[in-house]
Amino acid sequence: GQNIDQPTEMTATEGAIVQINCTYQTSGFNGLFWYQQHAGEAPTFLSYNVLDGLEEKGRFSSFLSRSKGYSYLLLKELQMKDSASYLCAVSDSNYQLIWGAGTKLIIKP
Amino acid sequence: TAGITQAPTSQILAAGRSMTLRCTQDMRHNAMYWYRQDLGLGLRLIHYSNTAGTTGKGEVPDGYSVSRANTDDFPLTLASAVPSQTSVYFCASSEMTGAGDTQYFGPGTRLTVL
Repeated sequence: GQNIDQPTEMTATEGAIVQINCTYQTSGFNGLFWYQQHAGEAPTFLSYNVLDGLEEKGRFSSFLSRSKGYSYLLLKELQMKDSASYLCAVSDSNYQLIWGAGTKLIIKP
Repeated sequence: TAGITQAPTSQILAAGRSMTLRCTQDMRHNAMYWYRQDLGLGLRLIHYSNTAGTTGKGEVPDGYSVSRANTDDFPLTLASAVPSQTSVYFCASSEMTGAGDTQYFGPGTRLTVL
């Protein structure tokens, strides 16, 4: 079967760094997406990785290891507005997205 | 630009009644999707359409139907609602269906079936 695992909830302090992990087992792999979803709102695109390595985009970075079926999202200089759920999704062999349940990130002052 | 709009924002529906959730995009995207999001679960694909005139079944299609008469609109119909269809429904679109094609989401419809 297809499976995406990520922690249910994480807590971090404003100004700090947090790493949100995602492991996956899917039928085929055509890239991995990270989305941010604030409570009561729609998911919004953060990043896409298809090759191994780190992609940096401002305060957010995303890493992929295809051999390990592993990705992480790194958030630096945390701000209160970063409190949200972070969704990991893998594009499978049919280019359909398989979604993890999301990681709720709580930022404390 | 509006992007993707969904209507209604929320709805309470009696079991056994039918309902159509509306979704319209103005980005001229070829592909459109319907997901449901339930607490503790990832987004689950209900139906999708790779291009106008075609539709396909996702992971959880039972009890739902869709049509794609044109590029912009992708309505989702519940023929006879049941309480297990209580959920938040998101419509999304992407330019194409392929590796790296980012999906953009509408604001969602919160549906409660009693």
